[in-house]
Amino acid sequence: NAGVTQTPKFQVLKTGQSMTLQCAQDMNHNSMYWYRQDPGMGLRLIYYSASEGTTDKGEVPNGYNVSRLNKREFSLRLESAAPSQTSVYFCAGRDRDSYEQYFGPGTRLTVT
Amino acid sequence: GNSVTQMEGPVTLSEEAFLTINCTYTATGYPSLFWYVQYPGEGLQLLLKATKADDKGSNKGFEATYRKETTSFHLEKGSVQVSDSAVYFCALRPYFNAGGTSYGKLTFGQGTILTVHP
Repeated sequence: NAGVTQTPKFQVLKTGQSMTLQCAQDMNHNSMYWYRQDPGMGLRLIYYSASEGTTDKGEVPNGYNVSRLNKREFSLRLESAAPSQTSVYFCAGRDRDSYEQYFGPGTRLTVT
Repeated sequence: GNSVTQMEGPVTLSEEAFLTINCTYTATGYPSLFWYVQYPGEGLQLLLKATKADDKGSNKGFEATYRKETTSFHLEKGSVQVSDSAVYFCALRPYFNAGGTSYGKLTFGQGTILTVHP
């Protein structure tokens, strides 16, 4: 099993450009999450999906959209990137039985 | 709301030194508590957890005890190694039940960078 995978690993965007961060899991998770990690601030929840077909805002949703394409995939879209969105983005899936979250390796995004 | 506060870092130790990273939390009810570790260039991995008061989580020589009276979950290791150099995050998950709406969301502390020198 690959676990939780994310693409790309690194990305540089110019202000105003758009892009989609991809996340996929093969662990049969119902719930999936997108976090951003900034120095001195820990991880903050952007959006989550409790199950296929549902999404909800987290702590810092502004400037982002998400799509739960199917049970395996949960993508994060930046429609018009801003320098404030420079961060490391992590996707996670939650185990149905233990409720533990399993994290992907992250995407390091720089917006210039 | 829920919050987690970790000791200020970074922490620099020599190999075989004793490690303590403090973590305190604010939450209603009885949250579950976690320590995650992030090695350079990698995602977060669950290090240990405790789900009720007085529980002790342990893994790889690390320990933490859920202290409800002091709302704390301090991480300790008796003898650190160079390979323990990483960022450590304390986190809580509110009490979750099948009819609840928390969906297992985690609240993280700001992270503590640990560097261990030979």
